[in-house]
Amino acid sequence: GAVVSQHPSRVICKSGTSVKIECRSLDFQATTMFWYRQFPKQSLMLMATSNEGSKATYEQGVEKDKFLINHASLTLSTLTVTSAHPEDSSFYICSAWDRGLEKLFFGSGTQLSVL
Amino acid sequence: SQQGEEDPQALSIQEGENATMNCSYKTSINNLQWYRQNSGRGLVHLILIRSNEREKHSGRLRVTLDTSKKSSSLLITASRAADTASYFCATLSTDSWGKLQFGAGTQVVVTP
Repeated sequence: GAVVSQHPSRVICKSGTSVKIECRSLDFQATTMFWYRQFPKQSLMLMATSNEGSKATYEQGVEKDKFLINHASLTLSTLTVTSAHPEDSSFYICSAWDRGLEKLFFGSGTQLSVL
Repeated sequence: SQQGEEDPQALSIQEGENATMNCSYKTSINNLQWYRQNSGRGLVHLILIRSNEREKHSGRLRVTLDTSKKSSSLLITASRAADTASYFCATLSTDSWGKLQFGAGTQVVVTP
């Protein structure tokens, strides 16, 4: 089945630094990828839709200048949390849409802890 | 925003028992999917049921869909301790491309 690789799995950083998270579709091309955020014991909240070759579409309330998304190729989308603060600490999950299978495949997630 | 509501929020059962959880949604859908998530991990796709299907089976999983009531249920039969996880339903609306809306999830604990 389709595989999505997400790196890093865990990152700890100081407040004010920027963190980049990568999401790769390994055996299929994904023109559309999604970024989610999940707080402990809560559901996934969609942050943005990443479209290859165009600007990402952000959900209401998500700061696009804070969470930079780049989808430069059909197999890679990146999320950069700029000037991270402790309130940005969360579990971030990416997913890639396999149009042929009509299924969404998820990365394993990135636990971000901002000190 | 979350599309679906799930109940119960938490479920605690013993090995061998069946676990049933329900999901309701609001919009017209193309399909509904169930996912499993172990603590601190990514999501694993369990089963997909299309809007023109009413029931689907996969191993010990049984999913039903009632589009008139905008609801779905997931049944796990003969549960095992390894089934302990959070389970989420997610709907794909008819006008979206992979943009799933997730329910709040049901946390299932299966004790040996």
